[in-house]
Amino acid sequence: DTGVSQDPRHKITKRGQNVTFRCDPISEHNRLYWYRQTLGQGPEFLTYFQNEAQLEKSRLLSDRFSAERPKGSFSTLEIQRTEQGDSAMYLCASSLGGNSKGGYTFGSGTRLTVV
Amino acid sequence: DQQVKQNSPSLSVQEGRISILNCDYTNSMFDYFLWYKKYPAEGPTFLISISSIKDKNEDGRFTVFLNKSAKHLSLHIVPSQPGDSAVYFCAASGGGSNYKLTFGKGTLLTVNP
Repeated sequence: DTGVSQDPRHKITKRGQNVTFRCDPISEHNRLYWYRQTLGQGPEFLTYFQNEAQLEKSRLLSDRFSAERPKGSFSTLEIQRTEQGDSAMYLCASSLGGNSKGGYTFGSGTRLTVV
Repeated sequence: DQQVKQNSPSLSVQEGRISILNCDYTNSMFDYFLWYKKYPAEGPTFLISISSIKDKNEDGRFTVFLNKSAKHLSLHIVPSQPGDSAVYFCAASGGGSNYKLTFGKGTLLTVNP
């Protein structure tokens, strides 16, 4: 078990381009979460999945953002027509369902820079 | 609006002394609270948590205290070690530990040798 893996670690893109990030959770975890962190702020919730079902989306997730988790394993987060305000660290996390005492396991994140 | 507030952006303590990190929340629906530690270029790492039915939880050098009437929690680290230097985030959930979390802005702890 290598933890939660995110790819790429860094992405620089021009404004208006589309980007896609991938997250591979811990294999036995059925819940997967996406968060966004900007400078000087804590992580902000974007969306989460239980297995392949997307159960909740934040209002931060505009129409340009879409997340999928086909087959309940890895997940992708796509941002279309990127804007400079999308520059942030995108964090993925996973957990077992239920009310365990432990928190999520986060990945190391994908740092997006829109120029 | 900030539902979870960490009003101290930074804290500096001497090695061996106690570090106390504070967190306030406004949403009375929160029923689970967690602390995460974050090193640069890494994702947050879970540290310790507490359910709203308890007022204290201890794990080794780390203790979290919850005062529901004041909507306040604190993390105590005793004794502090240089390796504890990191950003500490307070987080809260309204649906247990496996639901969406609302994070504070974090406190940068520096432990000086």
